[in-house]
Amino acid sequence: KAGVTQTPRYLIKTRGQQVTLSCSPISGHRSVSWYQQTPGQGLQFLFEYFSETQRNKGNFPGRFSGRQFSNSRSEMNVSTLELGDSALYLCASSEGAQRNYEQYFGPGTRLTVT
Amino acid sequence: GENVEQHPSTLSVQEGDSAVIKCTYSDSASNYFPWYKQELGKGPQLIIDIRSNVGEKKDQRIAVTLNKTAKHFSLHITETQPEDSAVYFCAASTSNSGYALNFGKGTSLLVTP
Repeated sequence: KAGVTQTPRYLIKTRGQQVTLSCSPISGHRSVSWYQQTPGQGLQFLFEYFSETQRNKGNFPGRFSGRQFSNSRSEMNVSTLELGDSALYLCASSEGAQRNYEQYFGPGTRLTVT
Repeated sequence: GENVEQHPSTLSVQEGDSAVIKCTYSDSASNYFPWYKQELGKGPQLIIDIRSNVGEKKDQRIAVTLNKTAKHFSLHITETQPEDSAVYFCAASTSNSGYALNFGKGTSLLVTP
């Protein structure tokens, strides 16, 4: 099976702009979670989608949003970018029907905000 | 919310030695504990996990132990090899957090030949 794919792998944006990141889960997986990884804060949970519905949300401002499509692919959007949004954004795929299941990560999208 | 502490932050061992990384968690309701290995430029790779109804789990050179009473779990790597060099993360999840993974800060493991 192919692993989790994320596009683009690298992105440079300017403060105030918005950005959309994409994630394709492992075939057959219906849950997609998003995490932010920074040197200071480590890995932090953003949100989780299952069957096109947001099932769980972390403690991030409303500028961070996401959605999931009927084929389980997911996108996350960050509006009004701030310098502190520079991070590695990771998507994790899980079978999802049963909560607390193994999560498999993609390679991430490295976002740099200037 | 759940707080996961991980020690040490850096660990250097010689090839062939064992490496142990320890984590503690705060939420007694946590019931799933995965370990991830992250190499430079890559996403975290799930290497082993344990659930709260099990005390120990092994997979070749890797083992994880869980002490629910003390709320700590550990990763043991035996016969380390240079390719084991990476950053290792522990995590815990619980229904209270919607099963989102709460990660430790990571341990940078260096295995020298």
